[in-house]
Formats: sequence, C-alpha cells, structure tokens
Amino acid sequence: DQQVKQNSPSLSVQEGRISILNCDYTNSMFDYFLWYKKYPAEGPTFLISISSIKDKNEDGRFTVFLNKSAKHLSLHIVPSQPGDSAVYFCAASDSGGSNYKLTFGKGTLLTVNP
Amino acid sequence: KAGVTQTPRYLIKTRGQQVTLSCSPISGHRSVSWYQQTPGQGLQFLFEYFSETQRNKGNFPGRFSGRQFSNSRSEMNVSTLELGDSALYLCASRRATDSYNEQFFGPGTRLTVL
Repeated sequence: DQQVKQNSPSLSVQEGRISILNCDYTNSMFDYFLWYKKYPAEGPTFLISISSIKDKNEDGRFTVFLNKSAKHLSLHIVPSQPGDSAVYFCAASDSGGSNYKLTFGKGTLLTVNP
Repeated sequence: KAGVTQTPRYLIKTRGQQVTLSCSPISGHRSVSWYQQTPGQGLQFLFEYFSETQRNKGNFPGRFSGRQFSNSRSEMNVSTLELGDSALYLCASRRATDSYNEQFFGPGTRLTVL
C-alpha cells in the first residue's frame, strides 16, 4: 500500500521555464511534508517543507503548495536551471508523538534542458 | 559543520554473510534513521534511534537490526544476506528538538550481495 505517490516517473522542461512536480498521499494523518533532491551516488538533499497548517511555502526559486482536501502537494521550480536536473522525492510524516518516520514517494526524474 | 558520514561507501558480500554499516550523524543531532533504497521500491524506512533507543521500526524482517551509541553514532546490521538485500542504505540524522525538524542524509552505503 503506497501511501505517498509520485505518478510521473520523469519530467523534462526547458531552462528558464517552470517545473511542476506532483505528489499525492492517502494517509490523512500526515501533517508534515518535505521535498528532497537526489543526485546519483549522493544522499537526498533537503529542499523545502510544509506543515499542514499552511497551504504554501516559498524559498527562493522553490515553492511548495499543499491542498489538504485533495491530499495533493506540488513543488514549483521557477525558473528551472540545468543544475536542477535530479530525482525529486516527496516525503510525508505523521509527527504525532515522539515517533518520526518519513514515508517517501518513488521519485520523479527531472531533466532541465539548456 | 560536517555532514552525515557513512562507512563504508561500497560493500560486496555473498549470500548468507552478515554485514555492519556505520553512520555518524551531524554534531548535535540525536536522532538517526536508516532507509533502504532500491529501484523498484524507492526509499523505505528501516528504523529510527534516539538516545540509544529504537523508537520506530519499518516493515523489515528481523535480519535487519541496529543500535545507537551514547555519542549518537549508529550501526545497522543485516544477517544472513539475501540477493534482494542489494540496495543503497541511507542514514539520516536530525536534531529531534521537535517533530518538524528535517532529516539530513548521508551519501549512503551501496551494498551488493552476490
């Protein structure tokens, strides 16, 4: 049972345009969401997060939108740069109590073409 | 500030052997989590340790175990290795002062079981 789904295995965009990566979740207990970027042979790097009390969080070129009613979040990268080419993972957490466990989607490979 | 370090980076073992992987968290981080990444399953949570205690465990067989030392360093052990254990094993640390701290990942240990 996959609780976090990234339905697009890959996405290709032109440099300077907007990249939109999508993520859906099924567990209504999730209340904290994160995006990670991963290059080959490296561990995932934290990008941006959002808690369920917000619907938008922005950090430079990266913005995450959360639609709780639809159980959907998206990551917008504007403008996209070739260095953004990587696998992007969406992750979610049920932060209740002292337990901490991230549930990850399977990732979306973003390719930004010069 | 040094990041999360994992040793060894690469490991080749044969079926039936056991293996121990090591993780040193970021200084001041008390929580260490382990994840398994495979092409088909993405990143899957193994377990989390905090103050030398396992707080949370994923759906993996008992062959997978871990421990945390008083300096927050952690080890993960896999006994009776199977071909399907070939994967990238990632360690992540976080401050754990509240539920919304993001995790920082190490580069991973690539385990190949022959």
